[in-house]
Amino acid sequence: EAQVTQNPRYLITVTGKKLTVTCSQNMNHEYMSWYRQDPGLGLRQIYYSMNVEVTDKGDVPEGYKVSRKEKRNFPLILESPSPNQTSLYFCASREGTNRVYEQYFGPGTRLTVT
Amino acid sequence: AQSVTQLDSQVPVFEEAPVELRCNYSSSVSVYLFWYVQYPNQGLQLLLKYLSGSTLVESINGFEAEFNKSQTSFHLRKPSVHISDTAEYFCAVRGGNDMRFGAGTRLTVKP
Repeated sequence: EAQVTQNPRYLITVTGKKLTVTCSQNMNHEYMSWYRQDPGLGLRQIYYSMNVEVTDKGDVPEGYKVSRKEKRNFPLILESPSPNQTSLYFCASREGTNRVYEQYFGPGTRLTVT
Repeated sequence: AQSVTQLDSQVPVFEEAPVELRCNYSSSVSVYLFWYVQYPNQGLQLLLKYLSGSTLVESINGFEAEFNKSQTSFHLRKPSVHISDTAEYFCAVRGGNDMRFGAGTRLTVKP
């Protein structure tokens, strides 16, 4: 089954404790992206990657890091989480970068930073 | 860059009533338009999309949206809603590699 998976689905952590949210897709998609969803703000893009070893900032990259060492994986790293990073996070992937394809979303990771 | 405005944050309706969820966009380049649906505790799923051709696009579950270039709108409609349509709906616009989402409209269908 074609899908985007994220782990963990729920995470409660404390300020400053480094964490990683994993994202994996099994569709051989070139493009992957991370969003955060906050009430009244919709989805805002954090980082995206057009292919292996190619990453770029989205609209709200501060406080986040990403890496793309393999095509299927695109982990999101919070080196020193803060309470304002409490949010619902979605990973997404799509085929190709120059053509119009729909994005496939993971189930989401609800992060709480205390 | 593109921007998307969903004009209603919440839309309560009764079952079997018609509904319209409004979406306006702005862009300096040609765009592709999407509606995504998010059911409770789930990720986003594509509902329908406009890429080119006919300005009226339909989904398999009775929703439709019409691309209106002069009004820069892409409103979502359904003539008769069901309880199961209760969800949050996101309008999105893509120009080049840049994809922007609206803030979402929470549709609540009441019996």
